[in-house]
Amino acid sequence: GENVEQHPSTLSVQEGDSAVIKCTYSDSASNYFPWYKQELGKGPQLIIDIRSNVGEKKDQRIAVTLNKTAKHFSLHITETQPEDSAVYFCAASIYGGSQGNLIFGKGTKLSVKP
Amino acid sequence: DSGVTQTPKHLITATGQRVTLRCSPRSGDLSVYWYQQSLDQGLQFLIQYYNGEERAKGNILERFSAQQFPDLHSELNLSSLELGDSALYFCASSGEGVGSGYTFGSGTRLTVV
Repeated sequence: GENVEQHPSTLSVQEGDSAVIKCTYSDSASNYFPWYKQELGKGPQLIIDIRSNVGEKKDQRIAVTLNKTAKHFSLHITETQPEDSAVYFCAASIYGGSQGNLIFGKGTKLSVKP
Repeated sequence: DSGVTQTPKHLITATGQRVTLRCSPRSGDLSVYWYQQSLDQGLQFLIQYYNGEERAKGNILERFSAQQFPDLHSELNLSSLELGDSALYFCASSGEGVGSGYTFGSGTRLTVV
């Protein structure tokens, strides 16, 4: 089955700096790669996702890149702000029809220092 | 409010007991997924239901079971509880098609004492 590795497990940056979180996946059939942000006491919230037919996607300060050949994808956050502090999870899935359970990485705790 | 409702928010129970967690998916979503989140294991997929039928199983213990009802709400039943079952249990729902995304509820925190 699918296995997702996520690095680093913790990341501390200064406000305004960029943050990069990297994930690798094992199943070449996976075609959907979302990123979730989880704040303390809340459920994971989808922040951006990418499908396997796209190499890069951007939404304001957040971007995700996908390298299908190497089976890895990354989250880039620019101009970080204290409110970006949270745990971020990557996930992979074979998405189609009525199936497609997400397999998650173990998470990255991002701390943005003012 | 994500549109996925989980009850109760907190649950404290003793070892050996049985509990039921409830999830109402976002309106129109046919798929419901259950995940367990513990400190050292991250988000572990337990089971998926689609329109009342079981569609995929992950690392779900035999002591755990789930079902999805005709109104699409789902229940996760945990029995013979052990201390190690203490965790956050999340429900997520999704529609069909790649663009639907998965929406998570706010979770049920289970503490077994």
